[in-house]
Amino acid sequence: AQSVTQLGSHVSVSEGALVLLRCNYSSSVPPYLFWYVQYPNQGLQLLLKYTSAATLVKGINGFEAEFKKSETSFHLTKPSAHMSDAAEYFCAVSEGGTGNQFYFGTGTSLTVIP
Amino acid sequence: GAVVSQHPSRVICKSGTSVKIECRSLDFQATTMFWYRQFPKKSLMLMATSNEGSKATYEQGVEKDKFLINHASLTLSTLTVTSAHPEDSSFYICSASLPNHNEQFFGPGTRLTVL
Repeated sequence: AQSVTQLGSHVSVSEGALVLLRCNYSSSVPPYLFWYVQYPNQGLQLLLKYTSAATLVKGINGFEAEFKKSETSFHLTKPSAHMSDAAEYFCAVSEGGTGNQFYFGTGTSLTVIP
Repeated sequence: GAVVSQHPSRVICKSGTSVKIECRSLDFQATTMFWYRQFPKKSLMLMATSNEGSKATYEQGVEKDKFLINHASLTLSTLTVTSAHPEDSSFYICSASLPNHNEQFFGPGTRLTVL
């Protein structure tokens, strides 16, 4: 069985500060891991994904995440927060392959303080 | 590439009526499409997995007679909320899998409000 835990349903950072959103997963097989961003009343936009290649994954908008198997983690970071980063962020895990189900975390709402 | 659209983006209907939501993969053929429901400030809840030409697989607790899913072609899946009630009001999101890829591409969502 697969599952995702996102610690911290709400995270607030100052503009220009480091963003760290936590994601831990459980999977019985090597996982595929994803981070999505959702703006109000919109669908999900892929930020980045890990698919068994490099453990440090760089995504769009300056975000990156590191896959740590020993810690079963895939935390999302960005060195300097922008106001436009304020949104809901979801971590997801999948076994991979066409048609395989995604399991989403409960989401983390990021607030950026001017 | 890999764009998924949904129509309508917003719909308001009266209690007891049925509403159809369309999900289309615009530039690829999707053998599998997924339907999610998202409550306010909550995560996505998978409702069903839809494979072209076959019956949808519903998640536990999702009423298949209430939420009718049809995947008639490789680019179109529809979700019909039958006899809608106010508790069906929600944000519905579809996604599609690109063949031989391990990623899902999400539509922009449909906001359903049942009065």
